[in-house]
Amino acid sequence: KAGVTQTPRYLIKTRGQQVTLSCSPISGHRSVSWYQQTPGQGLQFLFEYFSETQRNKGNFPGRFSGRQFSNSRSEMNVSTLELGDSALYLCASSLGQGHYNEQFFGPGTRLTVL
Amino acid sequence: GESVGLHLPTLSVQEGDNSIINCAYSNSASDYFIWYKQESGKGPQFIIDIRSNMDKRQGQRVTVLLNKTVKHLSLQIAATQPGDSAVYFCADQGDSNYQLIWGAGTKLIIKP
Repeated sequence: KAGVTQTPRYLIKTRGQQVTLSCSPISGHRSVSWYQQTPGQGLQFLFEYFSETQRNKGNFPGRFSGRQFSNSRSEMNVSTLELGDSALYLCASSLGQGHYNEQFFGPGTRLTVL
Repeated sequence: GESVGLHLPTLSVQEGDNSIINCAYSNSASDYFIWYKQESGKGPQFIIDIRSNMDKRQGQRVTVLLNKTVKHLSLQIAATQPGDSAVYFCADQGDSNYQLIWGAGTKLIIKP
């Protein structure tokens, strides 16, 4: 069974640009969550999607948005990039929504903002 | 505010010894805790979880202990192996059923 895949793995952008990251969950998983991980920090929750609807959102500005498609694949968009957005962005999928369902993480997309 | 913290950023242990990684949480209402392992270049991987109605849970070579009185959580790894080298995170349910509060992580280094 294929794991969670994320594309691209690495990305370099400049301030003010926008970026779209993609996540393909494990087959059959309907929930996708996104996290931001910065050096020395734990994971910061961005949002969770289930059945194409955003179910929960963390404390991030509106520049961070996402969506989920009917095949459960998800995209995350960051507009007007800032230097502080440089981070590893992780996607996790699970069968159901909520953290009582085991989450399976992808390898992440490393975003560098110059 | 709510937080989940780890006592040591780095833990160095001899191969074959037992490792103990500690975690403190602040929300006394939390009833669910998870330990994750993140190897270099990979996403976190679930290790073991525990609910607040338990004080101990065992897995394969790992044991999680929960002390609700002092709001402390620990992960014990028996007979530490080179493959255990990773950053270990504890995560706490917090006030939400959908959002976990993550600690900053402890890097486990195995000495040969």
